Amino acid sequence: AQSVTQPDIHITVSEGASLELRCNYSYGATPYLFWYVQSPGQGLQLLLKYFSGDTLVQGIKGFEAEFKRSQSSFNLRKPSVHWSDAAEYFCAVGVHYQLIWGAGTKLIIKP
Amino acid sequence: NAGVTQTPKFRVLKTGQSMTLLCAQDMNHEYMYWYRQDPGMGLRLIHYSVGEGTTAKGEVPDGYNVSRLKKQNFLLGLESAAPSQTSVYFCASSYNEETQYFGPGTRLLVL
Repeated sequence: AQSVTQPDIHITVSEGASLELRCNYSYGATPYLFWYVQSPGQGLQLLLKYFSGDTLVQGIKGFEAEFKRSQSSFNLRKPSVHWSDAAEYFCAVGVHYQLIWGAGTKLIIKP
Repeated sequence: NAGVTQTPKFRVLKTGQSMTLLCAQDMNHEYMYWYRQDPGMGLRLIHYSVGEGTTAKGEVPDGYNVSRLKKQNFLLGLESAAPSQTSVYFCASSYNEETQYFGPGTRLLVL
């Protein structure tokens, strides 16, 4: 069965430091992959997506993600985080009109 | 262009009461979805629709019913609310199998 794993429930990063959030998926075919962000009390906003082509995709707010087929991973990165990046981040795989979601990683920013 | 809207934003119910959550989208999307979000569990799909007049069960459909009488609206009903249905409910829509656009959510408390 398809599944998405985000191994880190919480991550704490100092403001200005780099960030990498991990996402691993289980899916037989080439997946559609997504990262969404949810600020406290808000809905979900799409950060970036991968469908095909270049395995390094750029998103909004300075985020990027790299698709690695051999590792079944789609990790999210940002070179320098800002306090406003504090939020919960969700990875998802698109399967037949549906999204399979990871449990989320909560990002905490230290001043 | 309002995107995806949800009504109401917050509701308190007593066990056994019924209610309907309304989702509306103005993007002419074919696909619509209802999720629930609980701490530590990410988003779980309740029901979805791939077009006007069609509905299908998701991962956690028990205790919920849906209807898609008009393309722009997707209703989620709770016939007899239970405390286990206390959650935040999100509606989403998409043009195809790609990006889903989310509403702001409805917080439901069942006492």
